[in-house]
Amino acid sequence: DGGITQSPKYLFRKEGQNVTLSCEQNLNHDAMYWYRQDPGQGLRLIYYSQIVNDFQKGDIAEGYSVSREKKESFPLTVTSAQKNPTAFYLCASTDWGALGSPLHFGNGTRLTVT
Amino acid sequence: AQSVTQLGSHVSVSEGALVLLRCNYSSSVPPYLFWYVQYPNQGLQLLLKYTTGATLVKGINGFEAEFKKSETSFHLTKPSAHMSDAAEYFCAVSKYGNKLVFGAGTILRVKS
Repeated sequence: DGGITQSPKYLFRKEGQNVTLSCEQNLNHDAMYWYRQDPGQGLRLIYYSQIVNDFQKGDIAEGYSVSREKKESFPLTVTSAQKNPTAFYLCASTDWGALGSPLHFGNGTRLTVT
Repeated sequence: AQSVTQLGSHVSVSEGALVLLRCNYSSSVPPYLFWYVQYPNQGLQLLLKYTTGATLVKGINGFEAEFKKSETSFHLTKPSAHMSDAAEYFCAVSKYGNKLVFGAGTILRVKS
């Protein structure tokens, strides 16, 4: 079955450490996205990528970095510069060329930094 | 800039009662509109979407939504709530490409 796989589901890190969240899709979608979810704040866009080797900052990119070396993969690194990294992180993908195409989401990674 | 407002962070209904979740958007051009549902510790699942054409959109699990341009609204309804409908619901809008802007979400509680 086609879909988006995020791993791990739960991640625990000490403050000051960088951590990388994995996102892989087999939907053959061009565009991939990373959102952060906090209670009562909805989803906020961190980074997105429309094509391999290219990506753009979203609304809350500070303290995060991404890469897009393969169409299927869009890993997110939460750096030590991110002041409040504990959150639920969601990866999504869509067919960028089809206007109004919905996002397909993975099941998320819950990151806890202490 | 686009924005989405969901009225009511929490909505509580009795099983069998009407479900109404409100969503208003701001957009200078006709938008694409979506409703998603999220169960605890899971990703978002598409309920329905409005792109063009008929303004009453039917989705999965008996939900539907009506696009009203004059009111800039896209409210989600279901005639009869079921316990399994308890979840968080998000309204979203996109204009340029497929970059979605989400509302803050509404948590639906269904009482037996």
